[in-house]
Amino acid sequence: GAGVSQSPSNKVTEKGKDVELRCDPISGHTALYWYRQSLGQGLEFLIYFQGNSAPDKSGLPSDRFSAERTGGSVSTLTIQRTQQEDSAVYLCASSLSKTGELFFGEGSRLTVL
Amino acid sequence: KNEVEQSPQNLTAQEGEFITINCSYSVGISALHWLQQHPGGGIVSLFMLSSGKKKHGRLIATINIQEKHSSLHITASHPRDSAVYICAVRKGGSEKLVFGKGMKLTVNP
Repeated sequence: GAGVSQSPSNKVTEKGKDVELRCDPISGHTALYWYRQSLGQGLEFLIYFQGNSAPDKSGLPSDRFSAERTGGSVSTLTIQRTQQEDSAVYLCASSLSKTGELFFGEGSRLTVL
Repeated sequence: KNEVEQSPQNLTAQEGEFITINCSYSVGISALHWLQQHPGGGIVSLFMLSSGKKKHGRLIATINIQEKHSSLHITASHPRDSAVYICAVRKGGSEKLVFGKGMKLTVNP
């Protein structure tokens, strides 16, 4: 597609369940970022992938969070044993290079009951 | 103190007014981004700057590296400019962006 695609757009889950959020970046973009935006808060960096390099995971808030990027394209963010404080909009962005303009997806809104 | 500060936090303007949104940062950077987020969440990149000034339509962005300050100007503002404007910096030596809290702009007709 023409833009960054994220799914699901909305996810409601029960506390303790695992969730997977998917990001399909713009074709050819080597850099992929995950961010989180909690209600009333600014964006928070989670993880960064660049080509075949080891990802920068320094923003992941706990070991319940993990992400992978298969074949340098689609990325999945997994949250295990979800907690209510994980409720947020999870945004994915991609760029042509690590110093390029960012293109954002519409986000996945996660609600943990 | 946040590494990226935006001011004002909220601004209400009348259609046609000239608007300035400020961003100050306290770290060395390799680039600064201005982003626009409309109600409903979609984020659009407006500018990426490392020096000087850029213009796109009614929007102008400037950066002063020595003063660690950037401004986003909107000329002839319109109600469709109503959004949250976010400043983000790429710290030198890092690929991470550090975000300001955003400024909510409301332009009334």
